[in-house]
Amino acid sequence: NAGVIQTPRHKVTGKGQEATLWCEPISGHSAVFWYRQTIVQGLEFLTYFRNQAPIDDSGMPKERFSAQMPNQSHSTLKIQSTQPQDSAVYLCASSCNSGNTLYFGEGSRLIVV
Amino acid sequence: AQSVTQPDARVTVSEGASLQLRCKYSYFGTPYLFWYVQYPRQGLQLLLKYYPGDPVVQGVNGFEAEFSKSNSSFHLRKASVHWSDWAVYFCAVRTGGNNKLTFGQGTVLSVIP
Repeated sequence: NAGVIQTPRHKVTGKGQEATLWCEPISGHSAVFWYRQTIVQGLEFLTYFRNQAPIDDSGMPKERFSAQMPNQSHSTLKIQSTQPQDSAVYLCASSCNSGNTLYFGEGSRLIVV
Repeated sequence: AQSVTQPDARVTVSEGASLQLRCKYSYFGTPYLFWYVQYPRQGLQLLLKYYPGDPVVQGVNGFEAEFSKSNSSFHLRKASVHWSDWAVYFCAVRTGGNNKLTFGQGTVLSVIP
């Protein structure tokens, strides 16, 4: 079991550019979650999918952020026109239908310069 | 609103000493509660979880936590801290179906020799 895999681990992007982050959940897990972590705000929920369907995106900024889960083996978080305030660690987690535990990846550290 | 508060941003203990990290929750109903640990440059790892039942739950690496409904608390304890416990600890409450979690701000644990 490889755990939740996130790529890239680190990404530096210029202001105004696009950033795409990938997440591969644990095989067989039906739910995928995205969180953002910063020193100031801590861990913020962004969005989650169950069985590839978007269930709750209440934490997603209304502009520039989007998430997809085109198949059960990966999800993407896309940030358009990145801004310095988007700099954060983006964490992906997955869980199975019958369990109550989130399993986290190691995160993708995004730095916008 | 459902929330978690960790009143101590930083705790410093001597190696071999006992430890308590505090967590207070606000939740209507019976909460599902979790403690996660984050080591440097890594994702979150589950330490232990509470489901309605025995108020004292055992976790990995000698950690335990006690749920108190009267105090709205879920404090984490360890009898003897090791230097490898140096990390950030997060308390969380499940705030929706499908395992959506709301996290506290985290407590940085420093261990001194």
